[in-house]
Amino acid sequence: DIQMTQSPSSLSASVGDRITITCRASQGINNYLAWFQQQPGKAPKSLIYAASNLQSGVSSKFSGSGSGTDFTLTINSLQPEDFATYYCQQYNSYPLTFGGGTKVEIK
Amino acid sequence: QVQLVQSGAEVKKPGASVKVSCKASGYIFTSYFMHWVRQAPGQGLEWMGVINPGGGSTRFAQKFQGRVTMTRDTSASTVYMEVSSLRSEDTAVYYCVREGGDSSLDHWGQGTLVTVSP
Repeated sequence: DIQMTQSPSSLSASVGDRITITCRASQGINNYLAWFQQQPGKAPKSLIYAASNLQSGVSSKFSGSGSGTDFTLTINSLQPEDFATYYCQQYNSYPLTFGGGTKVEIK
Repeated sequence: QVQLVQSGAEVKKPGASVKVSCKASGYIFTSYFMHWVRQAPGQGLEWMGVINPGGGSTRFAQKFQGRVTMTRDTSASTVYMEVSSLRSEDTAVYYCVREGGDSSLDHWGQGTLVTVSP
């Protein structure tokens, strides 16, 4: 199975900040990498697919980059609704696997 | 628009089975695979398996093989996920998730809380 490792596991930031979350795969995943946002008590929401493509309707404040095994999610100008938990996920091969999550909290 | 509407919360005793439904609308049901992902309280996301609503074929994570069944009713545009021999560790929110045309997971159901308690 492909292991997905996210860092940090949590971070504190202020409204207006720019933040970056890192995701590393245990082997190459051909950019089959997605990012999800989960607000407390809600279902996850799909943000990015294929490492850098925004899902329909997702704000351009979110961006993804990376290739091979190392990927990043960047969020510009944090707003109150962006404080949530973010997960990366590989879909290069079964079983699909998720990172452990990064909780973004208000400083 | 794509919508996935899941059945309501369930409370089950250890050893029992639970069947969760996911009704799809807003797209051609048989053209997109459907996955199931679960989340234990305070924990991360765990992939369980996938069903092809077109042909009915399935694939499961190894830990769920033999204990999880996925089926579909094309006339009702609904997929079902059944877990048998429930134990306390199965207490979780279960999500159905559509696989989009680019193979990524794009639309999520609202989730179904399954509580396993004596």
